[in-house]
Amino acid sequence: DTGVSQDPRHKITKRGQNVTFRCDPISEHNRLYWYRQTLGQGPEFLTYFQNEAQLEKSRLLSDRFSAERPKGSFSTLEIQRTEQGDSAMYLCASSSTTGFYEQYFGPGTRLTVT
Amino acid sequence: ELKVEQNPLFLSMQEGKNYTIYCNYSTTSDRLYWYRQDPGKSLESLFVLLSNGAVKQEGRLMASLDTKARLSTLHITAAVHDLSATYFCAVDYSGGGADGLTFGKGTHLIIQP
Repeated sequence: DTGVSQDPRHKITKRGQNVTFRCDPISEHNRLYWYRQTLGQGPEFLTYFQNEAQLEKSRLLSDRFSAERPKGSFSTLEIQRTEQGDSAMYLCASSSTTGFYEQYFGPGTRLTVT
Repeated sequence: ELKVEQNPLFLSMQEGKNYTIYCNYSTTSDRLYWYRQDPGKSLESLFVLLSNGAVKQEGRLMASLDTKARLSTLHITAAVHDLSATYFCAVDYSGGGADGLTFGKGTHLIIQP
């Protein structure tokens, strides 16, 4: 098991462009979470999936954000019409629904909007 | 509103000293996590605390949970430079991860030789 992976690790885009990030969870985990972390802050919850169903979305997830997990495995997070305020680290985590529900985090995708 | 407050936010200490980081949370929960984050890196899970009075220890770090006081502590014993990092506590208010974790702002810890 190689842990949670995310791609790309870094993304620089111009304001107004669309970007898409990918997350591959730990293979036996059926829950997948997206968080956003800005400098000097703790991660903030965006949304989560159980298998392919998106069960919860934070009010932070504006209409420009969309997430999918089509086959219950990897997930994508798309941001449309990026704004400078979207610059942040986007973290993905996964967990199982047994035991401690402990969330394991990926390395993150650092987005810079210029 | 679900809040998690950590104290202190910044801490500079010398090697060999002991110190405690405090984590207060606003609403009843019996599931609390501690994570470590190195600069530019992701979060590493340190401890999972699941019930009142839970105490976990790993090396020089010890975490405890008092659900009645809504307080968790992370105690550092005889600090070493390698423990320099940012430490986050996070609360699972849903009890099963259904609403994600609510994180504190983190405690930026610098341990000087």
